[in-house]
Parts: sequence; C-alpha cells; structure tokens
Amino acid sequence: DAKTTQPPSMDCAEGRAANLPCNHSTISGNEYVYWYRQIHSQGPQYIIHGLKNNETNEMASLIITEDRKSSTLILPHATLRDTAVYYCIVRGNNAGNMLTFGGGTRLMVKP
Amino acid sequence: SQTIHQWPATLVQPVGSPLSLECTVEGTSNPNLYWYRQAAGRGLQLLFYSVGIGQISSEVPQNLSASRPQDRQFILSSKKLLLSDSGFYLCAWSVHGDTQYFGPGTRLTVL
Repeated sequence: DAKTTQPPSMDCAEGRAANLPCNHSTISGNEYVYWYRQIHSQGPQYIIHGLKNNETNEMASLIITEDRKSSTLILPHATLRDTAVYYCIVRGNNAGNMLTFGGGTRLMVKP
Repeated sequence: SQTIHQWPATLVQPVGSPLSLECTVEGTSNPNLYWYRQAAGRGLQLLFYSVGIGQISSEVPQNLSASRPQDRQFILSSKKLLLSDSGFYLCAWSVHGDTQYFGPGTRLTVL
C-alpha cells in the first residue's frame, strides 16, 4: 500500500473549519484514501473514504485532487471533541489489505 | 446497526502467563475480522485476519495465536506472555475487504 505524509500537528479554533492535508503521491489506481481518527486510549474511528471523487458525510468532507496525489479532510465546524490524531491511509480493498497507520496529524481544537 | 465488543478493557498480566482476549461483532454476518496491536506512540500492526470460521491468516510471526470458533467471535491467545506483548490490542471488522471498523480496544500490560 502507498505511503502517506501528513503534518504532525495542527491547531484550529472552535467553530472554524479544520482542513487536514495528506500527500499520497505513490497511490495506485485501485487504492482508496481512508481517514480515521483516534482519541486517546480509544479505538480508531472511521471518518470517510474515497477513490477519486469528492465525498461528504455527516462527519466530514474529503477532497481528492484530480491526479489523486493528495487529499484534504475538512471538518466544517470543529468542536472541542474533534481534538484527536487524524490518520490518512491508502489501501486496496482486499481482505488482506491492512490499515497502515503512520504518524497522523494531531489536531488540537481550541476554544 | 453493527457493534463490536472487546473484553477485557484493561489487563495486567505477569510474564509467562497465558492470555485470552475476546472480540465479538453484532449485527452482521460472515464479517472479515482483524487483530491489530498498537505499541505506545506507534502505528497499528496487523497481527491476524480471518475471512471465515476457522480461517486465520497470520501477518507477523510471534508467540500469539488467533482463533475464530464462531462466525462473529475472534479470540487472541498466548500460552506464555512476553514483556514485548504489552500494547493496545484492537479488533476490527469489515464486510469483505471494505471499510474496517474498530472496537474499543484492550490495553494489555505485561509485568
């Protein structure tokens, strides 16, 4: 599975949009971009995933560039409870395709 | 809706003692099941995955083993724990190779 690069940390003001970038320049054509987050001492929580089109759900939006080499996760109105480590992962959709979590981005939402 | 349970939530065991961690999934049939370990401050390491009852694939050689005695039950075991087995153990499920959803995790400390 392709590697991803994320900034180690970001701050965001409560109520503002949080835009978390991810680079995945070696992504292959059948690999999806997944986003998870992990709040301390809890299991990772699935947020959203996409292949090449932009996606939106009740938690977030995912913007994938046309060349698929980077993406941005958008939390439209960040709250204090969104403080977590956010992981961007690329993987194929076979049963044996593990989720390889890198360092992620530690998002701190501040009042 | 689907839910995933893990127990115990925390466990402190002496070196050389046996281990049994249990994971169960509700609300879905024939899920793929996964065991991951997350060492302190590090990413996830896939240990085992299963696509059906009695079918186990091991990703990393170690003194751990996994079993799937029932469709929605996945067990992680060890006959003799090592200090290096300490970590946060996460169970996850998916439908075929699709999105993986994680349980709350078991924090294991081996002393």
